[in-house]
Amino acid sequence: AQSVTQPDIHITVSEGASLELRCNYSYGATPYLFWYVQSPGQGLQLLLKYFSGDTLVQGIKGFEAEFKRSQSSFNLRKPSVHWSDAAEYFCAVGARSNTGKLIFGQGTTLQVKP
Amino acid sequence: EAGVAQSPRYKIIEKRQSVAFWCNPISGHATLYWYQQILGQGPKLLIQFQNNGVVDDSQLPKDRFSAERLKGVDSTLKIQPAKLEDSAVYLCASSGNRGGSEQYFGPGTRLTVT
Repeated sequence: AQSVTQPDIHITVSEGASLELRCNYSYGATPYLFWYVQSPGQGLQLLLKYFSGDTLVQGIKGFEAEFKRSQSSFNLRKPSVHWSDAAEYFCAVGARSNTGKLIFGQGTTLQVKP
Repeated sequence: EAGVAQSPRYKIIEKRQSVAFWCNPISGHATLYWYQQILGQGPKLLIQFQNNGVVDDSQLPKDRFSAERLKGVDSTLKIQPAKLEDSAVYLCASSGNRGGSEQYFGPGTRLTVT
């Protein structure tokens, strides 16, 4: 079955510290991979995506993610977290087809301590 | 460029009542999605339209949910009658024609069923 697992439901980091959010997926083939961020009361905003090529992808707001095929993982990282990064983060996979359907993980809530 | 518009932003109804949500996608986007996001979970696809045709409605509870996209532009999602477990945020997203294209999300409608 196709699924996305985000093992950490809640993470707290200090401002200025580094961040890594984990994402593992189960899929029949290599899917498209996405990270979205959702602030309270807002819709989802795309941070970055992986379709093919370089397995280290850069996104907006200083985020990056690395696709590791052998581990079926697509972890999100940021070297120095800002207070404004506090939000909920979703990893998603999408089919390499015209349907474009996304399957989301359950999300990781990031809290940033001053 | 205007984003995905949704209305209303909030709705409170009693169980067994009906409710309708409206979505206007980004101009020119052929694909439109409705997702249901229950508190503490990631979004789950309810229905996907390509122009005015349904591509995937496998997870739509068809005994109470219905959706239409007349003229291939804006869309309406209806629930009749509502149940307590329908309390959630309903997100609309749109994307271009290519498979795996980025999905742009609206702000969502938060539904509370009492």
